[in-house]
Amino acid sequence: DTAVSQTPKYLVTQMGNDKSIKCEQNLGHDTMYWYKQDSKKFLKIMFSYNNKELIINETVPNRFSPKSPDKAHLNLHINSLELGDSAVYFCASSKAGGGQPQHFGDGTRLSIL
Amino acid sequence: GDSVTQMEGPVTLSEEAFLTINCTYTATGYPSLFWYVQYPGEGLQLLLKATKADDKGSNKGFEATYRKETTSFHLEKGSVQVSDSAVYFCALTIGGTSYGKLTFGQGTILTVHP
Repeated sequence: DTAVSQTPKYLVTQMGNDKSIKCEQNLGHDTMYWYKQDSKKFLKIMFSYNNKELIINETVPNRFSPKSPDKAHLNLHINSLELGDSAVYFCASSKAGGGQPQHFGDGTRLSIL
Repeated sequence: GDSVTQMEGPVTLSEEAFLTINCTYTATGYPSLFWYVQYPGEGLQLLLKATKADDKGSNKGFEATYRKETTSFHLEKGSVQVSDSAVYFCALTIGGTSYGKLTFGQGTILTVHP
């Protein structure tokens, strides 16, 4: 059973479009995250939710809107896609509290044409 | 703010060579430290962790020791294999209101040749 699953794995779309990435975890974790990995492999936190409540929003443009319908799901919706949004987006989950290891999905590679 | 600095890559080694990837950190609180590995086309996997000073994390022949005095968490392996070729990330997290946000180093690409 996949612990953290993301869909789709690949997303190719035009500039200006709106798209969503879904994430689900079956580990019973309370906290979920979105990270962005750029072309140089650098990873940066975007959002964190704990029990469906937004905890971290790291100066991400408001074109990015996370939604957590329940604590097992954290989806990412992106409006008006720009060329600079091309990246790999990773979802992760962990037990609540610092010091807990995070479990990552396989990533969604977003390419903007 | 918190930050993690890894040695510049890429690193290229022959099979059975000794591996060291340096990692140092700055943190506003008392961090937990991690090494993650990313194989081509995959997500990140936790390789090892240490949560307090002088703890040694180990897994699959890899080791790293939490050194508070030098704010370091260097990754070592005595004899690398071709299958160890991947990107390695050092990371930290701090408890409290950060809710486990991971701060990553820039990653080190390791290539092992037969």
